[in-house]
Amino acid sequence: GQNIDQPTEMTATEGAIVQINCTYQTSGFNGLFWYQQHAGEAPTFLSYNVLDGLEEKGRFSSFLSRSKGYSYLLLKELQMKDSASYLCAVRAYASGGSYIPTFGRGTSLIVHP
Amino acid sequence: GAVVSQHPSWVICKSGTSVKIECRSLDFQATTMFWYRQFPKQSLMLMATSNEGSKATYEQGVEKDKFLINHASLTLSTLTVTSAHPEDSSFYICSAASTEVATAFFGQGTRLTVV
Repeated sequence: GQNIDQPTEMTATEGAIVQINCTYQTSGFNGLFWYQQHAGEAPTFLSYNVLDGLEEKGRFSSFLSRSKGYSYLLLKELQMKDSASYLCAVRAYASGGSYIPTFGRGTSLIVHP
Repeated sequence: GAVVSQHPSWVICKSGTSVKIECRSLDFQATTMFWYRQFPKQSLMLMATSNEGSKATYEQGVEKDKFLINHASLTLSTLTVTSAHPEDSSFYICSAASTEVATAFFGQGTRLTVV
């Protein structure tokens, strides 16, 4: 099975930078995803890392270290609309050649003025 | 980007009735479909994984006779909640994936309320 751990809740100030960490334990690792989810809506894809290093995409960046089983999502220039849940998901090979993404519990980010 | 359409977006049904939720991949062939359930303030929980043309694989604790999954084509999967009860009220989300795309794409979700 897989074990994914991320903080339950974080708060930050508008305009600031926040880093959301995710640690995981899995076998057959095949990629790590970050999703943003507003209450009552489906998750929206933010980033995908399969190799070590930093992937930058506008205000959002995602980092992966496979040897440490660690990733983080970095949000810069925070805006009020960034208040949402951020889900870390790990994809791993399953029997039969398919892959299964497993989600962490999500981190609820609250951005205040 | 790839689009996954889920229908209906919300449904209210009486206890004991069945509800069918459809999930369609509109511009790619989804070899694998995932069905999730999410209770308020909780994370997505995988219910089952289905590959086109084969029986779905259910997660532990999910009743396969209650949550019927059909994945008859590469663009359509359905989840039928049979004999629904109030405790089945939840947000159900499908996700479609294939070897063509690096990530999985989500449908809009279905808010099911059983009264």
